[in-house]
Amino acid sequence: EDQVTQSPEALRLQEGESSSLNCSYTVSGLRGLFWYRQDPGKGPEFLFTLYSAGEEKEKERLKATLTKKESFLHITAPKPEDSATYLCAVGLWGAGNNRKLIWGLGTSLAVNP
Amino acid sequence: DTAVSQTPKYLVTQMGNDKSIKCEQNLGHDTMYWYKQDSKKFLKIMFSYNNKELIINETVPNRFSPKSPDKAHLNLHINSLELGDSAVYFCASSQKGAGTGNNYGYTFGSGTRLTVV
Repeated sequence: EDQVTQSPEALRLQEGESSSLNCSYTVSGLRGLFWYRQDPGKGPEFLFTLYSAGEEKEKERLKATLTKKESFLHITAPKPEDSATYLCAVGLWGAGNNRKLIWGLGTSLAVNP
Repeated sequence: DTAVSQTPKYLVTQMGNDKSIKCEQNLGHDTMYWYKQDSKKFLKIMFSYNNKELIINETVPNRFSPKSPDKAHLNLHINSLELGDSAVYFCASSQKGAGTGNNYGYTFGSGTRLTVV
């Protein structure tokens, strides 16, 4: 069964304390791995898409990496405004060759000042 | 201008009622989606439309009926609401090729929190 697992469920960091979030997946026929950020009361906001093992993408204090079984979202020197839930999703082919996303449950990140 | 807008933002209704949620996108995307997010924050796709054509129809009770009058709009009508329908419903849009060698993801609306009492 296609599955996406994120860990940890929740993470509390001090401002400036770097860490990593994990997204592991067991799917057949991966068509992209997506990272999103979700703030309370809002919809998920797109961050990155990764397609192949070894690929890396960066945006400000965030860097996403991908292996054949998992992806990491590294947060360097986080700030309180980085507090949010980070969601990972994998893309699979759905009906009519349209992409379907399978989502993880997210990691709730809190950064204390 | 909001890229993907949903109305209403909050909806409180009694069991058995029929209600609709509307969604509009101004991004020129050709694919739109409805997602349900439960209390544990799990996002599950319900429907996907490409150019007004139903593409994905996951295992959803037939009380839920999507309607796409044009590729910029995707509405969700729910008949005979039940307590278990309480959740946040998100509309999203993308280009059909989202994720195929480009950096485009999905753009989500801000959600409709449905509470059935």
